[in-house]
Amino acid sequence: GQNIDQPTEMTATEGAIVQINCTYQTSGFNGLFWYQQHAGEAPTFLSYNVLDGLEEKGRFSSFLSRSKGYSYLLLKELQMKDSASYLCAVRDSNYQLIWGAGTKLIIKP
Amino acid sequence: ETGVTQTPRHLVMGMTNKKSLKCEQHLGHNAMYWYKQSAKKPLELMFVYSLEERVENNSVPSRFSPECPNSSHLFLHLHTLQPEDSALYLCASSQDPGGSGANVLTFGAGSRLTVL
Repeated sequence: GQNIDQPTEMTATEGAIVQINCTYQTSGFNGLFWYQQHAGEAPTFLSYNVLDGLEEKGRFSSFLSRSKGYSYLLLKELQMKDSASYLCAVRDSNYQLIWGAGTKLIIKP
Repeated sequence: ETGVTQTPRHLVMGMTNKKSLKCEQHLGHNAMYWYKQSAKKPLELMFVYSLEERVENNSVPSRFSPECPNSSHLFLHLHTLQPEDSALYLCASSQDPGGSGANVLTFGAGSRLTVL
């Protein structure tokens, strides 16, 4: 079966750096997505990786290794507003999105 | 108004009631989706519409009935639901229903459904 694994919850300190990992086993690969979802709000798109390597976008970066079935989302200079759930999703060979259960990130002062 | 708008934001219904969830997108997208989000579970795709035609129905019980009257509006009609159907129902839209490129989903804030 197809599976996306990510930690259920993580805690980090304001101003620090945190890395949220995502591993996947899917039928083929056509891109990996990260979305952010604040409590009670819509998920919003953060990043898209289809080739190996690091994509940087301000304080957020996303890394992909297709051979290892692995990605991470790196958040730098953490702010309280970064407290949210982070959803990893992989598009398989049929262009279906397979979702992880999300990682709840708690930022402490 | 821009983005994806869902109404109502909260809904409580009995198992014998009939209600509808509404979704509207103002992005000019061609595809619209219904997802179910339960606590600590992955998003579950329920239905996909492309240019008002249903292109996917992921074995969803018949007590959920989608309707897409035009490319901007999507409904989810609910009847004789079960308590386990309590969840957040998210609507999303994208430029295309699949295909290459990022094809990013834009989500609404969801309708929180409680079935008593």
